[in-house]
Amino acid sequence: DAGVTQSPTHLIKTRGQQVTLRCSPKSGHDTVSWYQQALGQGPQFIFQYYEEEERQRGNFPDRFSGHQFPNYSSELNVNALLLGDSALYLCASSLGDRGLENSPLHFGNGTRLTVT
Amino acid sequence: AQSVTQLGSHVSVSEGALVLLRCNYSSSVPPYLFWYVQYPNQGLQLLLKYTSAATLVKGINGFEAEFKKSETSFHLTKPSAHMSDAAEYFCATMGGFKTIFGAGTRLFVKA
Repeated sequence: DAGVTQSPTHLIKTRGQQVTLRCSPKSGHDTVSWYQQALGQGPQFIFQYYEEEERQRGNFPDRFSGHQFPNYSSELNVNALLLGDSALYLCASSLGDRGLENSPLHFGNGTRLTVT
Repeated sequence: AQSVTQLGSHVSVSEGALVLLRCNYSSSVPPYLFWYVQYPNQGLQLLLKYTSAATLVKGINGFEAEFKKSETSFHLTKPSAHMSDAAEYFCATMGGFKTIFGAGTRLFVKA
């Protein structure tokens, strides 16, 4: 049973560049959530995709955008990178119609983004 | 708005000692609460969840947590710490479709 997979595992970018991170959900899951985890902090919610639509968004600027494909995989795009965007980006999947109380998040191992 | 507060960013215990990680919640309605664990260079893994069925919740790896409405708490415990328990632990709750995490408590286990 394949878990959540994320690629790449590490990435180094320069300020002002754009980056795309990818996520494949756990087999059977249809909902993907993205989180940003800065060093020494808890994960912060960026947004959630369900049925190829952004269902809920956290307090992140429009530079952060995403997409969900018909096979439920997802991409996170960040434009005009800032030094402060350096973090671990976590993807998590769940069943969108079950509620988190019945279908808690399953996480991938993350993509470590460093902006120089 | 729902939120959780974890008391203590670092906790150190000796191997075999009791583990107690503290979490308080803020919610205007009965909350759903979770504990997750994060090992180095990995994502988060669900330890246990509270969904109002029972106030004492048992999870994986010998951990359990007790929901106390009078104290608005959901502390995580384990009777005897193992070296393998060294990790970051996150208390979490729900807000709409999102999971809201605390700042985390790093558990150190001394031999």
